[in-house]
Amino acid sequence: QKEVEQDPGPLSVPEGAIVSLNCTYSNSAFQYFMWYRQYSRKGPELLMYTYSSGNKEDGRFTAQVDKSSKYISLFIRDSQPSDSATYLCATLKETSYDKVIFGPGTSLSVIP
Amino acid sequence: NAGVTQTPKFRILKIGQSMTLQCTQDMNHNYMYWYRQDPGMGLKLIYYSVGAGITDKGEVPNGYNVSRSTTEDFPLRLELAAPSQTSVYFCASRPDMSAIQYFGAGTRLSVL
Repeated sequence: QKEVEQDPGPLSVPEGAIVSLNCTYSNSAFQYFMWYRQYSRKGPELLMYTYSSGNKEDGRFTAQVDKSSKYISLFIRDSQPSDSATYLCATLKETSYDKVIFGPGTSLSVIP
Repeated sequence: NAGVTQTPKFRILKIGQSMTLQCTQDMNHNYMYWYRQDPGMGLKLIYYSVGAGITDKGEVPNGYNVSRSTTEDFPLRLELAAPSQTSVYFCASRPDMSAIQYFGAGTRLSVL
């Protein structure tokens, strides 16, 4: 079983839709959870960052972590064409700062 | 704000040739990473470094070498290039006691 799994998509939605992107992870020791956004032919950039369980909101984006089910979600409200990108979830053990584990990414297209 | 700079942006190699992918960061980060990204496969860690003079293997180190003589620079060396090394290579860095990584723009390498 992979440490972090993510539906690769592609996911295509109309502009204005609510988007839900999801990951599952296998190791209960993971404490830090991140979402990176990667535009085509660019490097990943951090979008959201949470520690342990709970929700975190930043504008149109909400990150949610459910440690009981080992489930990570990213919600995008009022999606825009500029949100079209690949979204990678990532996680890290609290006691090991060396290596971040990335999911394979979900490709999202927001159609005007 | 240069951040993480990678050179070259593109390169075509013939089988058996060697090259060095350059990575430099101006944020004084101790931790640096090299990843490769293949379509639909996410980011795979090749090598990482926790400080000048200290490097360690990641998930897919075979065919690559690294060195870290300064905090700023973390070059990746490909010896005897093979078609399986055709990929997009990303360098990243992060500060101590943080899970957030900062990525360069990537190097697209084709081995023919």
